[in-house]
Amino acid sequence: EAGVAQSPRYKIIEKRQSVAFWCNPISGHATLYWYQQILGQGPKLLIQFQNNGVVDDSQLPKDRFSAERLKGVDSTLKIQPAKLEDSAVYLCASSLRGFSGNTIYFGEGSWLTVV
Amino acid sequence: GDSVTQMEGPVTLSEEAFLTINCTYTATGYPSLFWYVQYPGEGLQLLLKATKADDKGSNKGFEATYRKETTSFHLEKGSVQVSDSAVYFCALSDLIQGAQKLVFGQGTRLTINP
Repeated sequence: EAGVAQSPRYKIIEKRQSVAFWCNPISGHATLYWYQQILGQGPKLLIQFQNNGVVDDSQLPKDRFSAERLKGVDSTLKIQPAKLEDSAVYLCASSLRGFSGNTIYFGEGSWLTVV
Repeated sequence: GDSVTQMEGPVTLSEEAFLTINCTYTATGYPSLFWYVQYPGEGLQLLLKATKADDKGSNKGFEATYRKETTSFHLEKGSVQVSDSAVYFCALSDLIQGAQKLVFGQGTRLTINP
């Protein structure tokens, strides 16, 4: 079974530039998550989709971050304009819906450095 | 809201030592509990999980028991190896309005010396 795919793996940009990350979840997984992991900290949820609808975006900095999930499958997370504090790993994850014990599968992450 | 508190790191042990990483949680519902591991330069991988009280999750010699009375899910391994060096995250999952939510602790960095 193919895992969660993310790209690009690494990105270095200057502050005030824009960047986009792409994620393709495991086939059939209704729920898709984007997490931000700052070095030395646990992952923090940015946005959660159920199919193509947003379930939770309460911690997404909406003045600079946006995300969409086209047709309930793959998803794009965009940052514009980037700030130095956005340097982090952006993790995409997916799961089946409806049960708290479902395993949530993570991609390898997209490592962003803002200089 | 739901939260997870992990033992502060970093933790450094010698090979074949006994490992315990403490994890406690606060939840309003009936969560499932997870341990994820992150090896250097890699994404998060599920290590083990437990979905109800008194369940024991186990994998690769690691185990953890869901203790509802103490709201804990401590990770243990009897004899660690150098290859176990990684960051370990405790997490809880709950259903909020039908959607699965996963909340992480801050992580514990483990280094095993030969």
